[in-house]
Amino acid sequence: DSGVTQTPKHLITATGQRVTLRCSPRSGDLSVYWYQQSLDQGLQFLIQYYNGEERAKGNILERFSAQQFPDLHSELNLSSLELGDSALYFCASSGKGGGRETQYFGPGTRLLVL
Amino acid sequence: GESVGLHLPTLSVQEGDNSIINCAYSNSASDYFIWYKQESGKGPQFIIDIRSNMDKRQGQRVTVLLNKTVKHLSLQIAATQPGDSAVYFCAENVYSGNTPLVFGKGTRLSVIA
Repeated sequence: DSGVTQTPKHLITATGQRVTLRCSPRSGDLSVYWYQQSLDQGLQFLIQYYNGEERAKGNILERFSAQQFPDLHSELNLSSLELGDSALYFCASSGKGGGRETQYFGPGTRLLVL
Repeated sequence: GESVGLHLPTLSVQEGDNSIINCAYSNSASDYFIWYKQESGKGPQFIIDIRSNMDKRQGQRVTVLLNKTVKHLSLQIAATQPGDSAVYFCAENVYSGNTPLVFGKGTRLSVIA
């Protein structure tokens, strides 16, 4: 158990809908990262938050957004969903630094868009 | 741009043998490297890391070797067990405070009993 929690574990929705994925980092970790993993693909970095502020942005679509709250949990919002958004979405957290520390991953949310 | 890749997409190893998983990176400025293991349906799990001021680091049954001259990273697993079957990712990081990890595509390790 990495200490990172994600909910829900599974999510099935329809095209055009909007969903919110939730992540709670390890106790004391200030950075939260979101990744997308599609079938036969590696981990694609989406976005990073550090202590409530956006720190780095990767290949995140404009239809996607995220935020980190004062209690350090984070939410990833996916809107106007398309079939191609079906994937595993992972959250990871790391310590006080901005990007160097080891990232610990949650169990992921499996999103299926029908 | 920077990229991290793996030489072999799949690797089959006999139980009890040693496994070697390789990874090439292209960014000579990378100074921190991590190996992750991902079992089916689970999130990536940290295995071992190494910083660029080292060329070897050992853990429990695992060893990571770093060759900065040829920008090559390897993960050695001793006495491979069925529970080692998974996809292994290498990741690199350039310390800037703003740069996230860059992951390779992964190598699937299959242990033959």
